[in-house]
Amino acid sequence: QVQLVESGGGLVEPGGSLRLSCAASGFSFSDYYMTWIRQAPGKGLECVSYISTFSTYTSSADSVKGRFTISRDNAGNSLYLQMNSLSAEDSAVYYCARAVAGSSVPYYFDYWGQGTLVTVSS
Amino acid sequence: EIVMTQSPATLSVSPGERATLSCRASQSVSSNLAWYQQKPGQAPRLLIHDASTRATGVPARFSGSGSGTEFTLTITSLQSEDFAVYYCQQFESWPRTFGRGTEVEIK
Repeated sequence: QVQLVESGGGLVEPGGSLRLSCAASGFSFSDYYMTWIRQAPGKGLECVSYISTFSTYTSSADSVKGRFTISRDNAGNSLYLQMNSLSAEDSAVYYCARAVAGSSVPYYFDYWGQGTLVTVSS
Repeated sequence: EIVMTQSPATLSVSPGERATLSCRASQSVSSNLAWYQQKPGQAPRLLIHDASTRATGVPARFSGSGSGTEFTLTITSLQSEDFAVYYCQQFESWPRTFGRGTEVEIK
């Protein structure tokens, strides 16, 4: 069965960096676009970044552009999110999600991991 | 970006009754809309895509309708496991955006 397991979250000071990982199993990882979606405490969902099957296409939300970088390792079935210059507004649960995609963009998200909590605080 | 507005914010329903949830887009998204269910402490689960197509394994009591800017998720005969928060999401344009959710609570 499809499994997505995030790791790497934790407490970090404002201005700091963190690298999230997502280990995928149960499907052909290289066949799917992948995304990071976050949910701030008590708030809604925000699509942060996506990456195409062979990393040809990536995009990020304006709120994280220039600070967050998405990447993937198809040989290792892993997805990553490098987060720099973190602020309190980035505190959230970060979900790794598999995307159903077309026309070089993700459409909707059919499997999600359980999430990893990022807290930015001094 | 396309703003998704869900109503009501909270819906109180008795088990066995019908729940009707609304989602409105700030501009047309055609049928490029998905619905998700989220229970406390869990990740969202895909219920509906392309406005009205149930995802694999989703019970038939869940149905989606609408196109353009107005969409509805209907849950007939609510079961105990259906009390959760429901989100709509458009995939007409980037960034993909979600509504703020409708919580379906036990009346």
